[in-house]
Amino acid sequence: EVRLLESGGGLVQPGGSLRLSCAASGFTFSGYAMSWVRQAPGKGLEWVSTISSTGGYTYYADSVKGRFTFSRDNSKNTLYLQMNSLRAEDTAVYYCAKNLGAGTASLDFWGQGTLVTVSS
Amino acid sequence: QSVLTQPPSVSGAPGQRVTISCTGSSSNIVATYDVHWYQQLPGTAPKLLIYGNTNRPSGVPDRFSGSKSGTSASLAITGLQAEDEADYYCQSYDSSLSAVVFGGGTKLTVL
Repeated sequence: EVRLLESGGGLVQPGGSLRLSCAASGFTFSGYAMSWVRQAPGKGLEWVSTISSTGGYTYYADSVKGRFTFSRDNSKNTLYLQMNSLRAEDTAVYYCAKNLGAGTASLDFWGQGTLVTVSS
Repeated sequence: QSVLTQPPSVSGAPGQRVTISCTGSSSNIVATYDVHWYQQLPGTAPKLLIYGNTNRPSGVPDRFSGSKSGTSASLAITGLQAEDEADYYCQSYDSSLSAVVFGGGTKLTVL
């Protein structure tokens, strides 16, 4: 059974930093690209970032480029999202998700999400 | 403002058929990028419903179907059930933005 478990969310002041983690199990982690998607309270889904299976390639939404860094440790089956210079508009539930396969943006498994609140 | 446009809401009675549209442009849907659909039940994470325009993952009932033509894609739900009440999102890739994009979401109400 595929399982994705996010952690690391919480309350942070504007300009602060936070690191999210996502522990994966139930599939060959090193064989798949992975993504982060966020959802602001009462709003729709917003793609944040995608990382290749090896971690050699990363892609970011313009809204987070230069502030967020997506990485993975295939030896630990874990993803990391380092978020710096946080803004109020980064407040959202952050989901990690498994990409269905190479060359597709579809996400076939999602974690339960972790809430990040940026507020003073 | 989402790059992919969905109606904010649709509704239907139990047993009926409803469709949800997702309208794009030459840099996403028309550019042959695949469209995917997600269902998000209240208080839960999204679930993949349709991938690659028309394909259902294992376990998704065949009441759900997807199609794509020209500048838009559609999700059809037949035999509407109360448990289908949820938010639905389309997703694709936009070459102008070099980004994965989601539609704004459609709230389905089962009357």
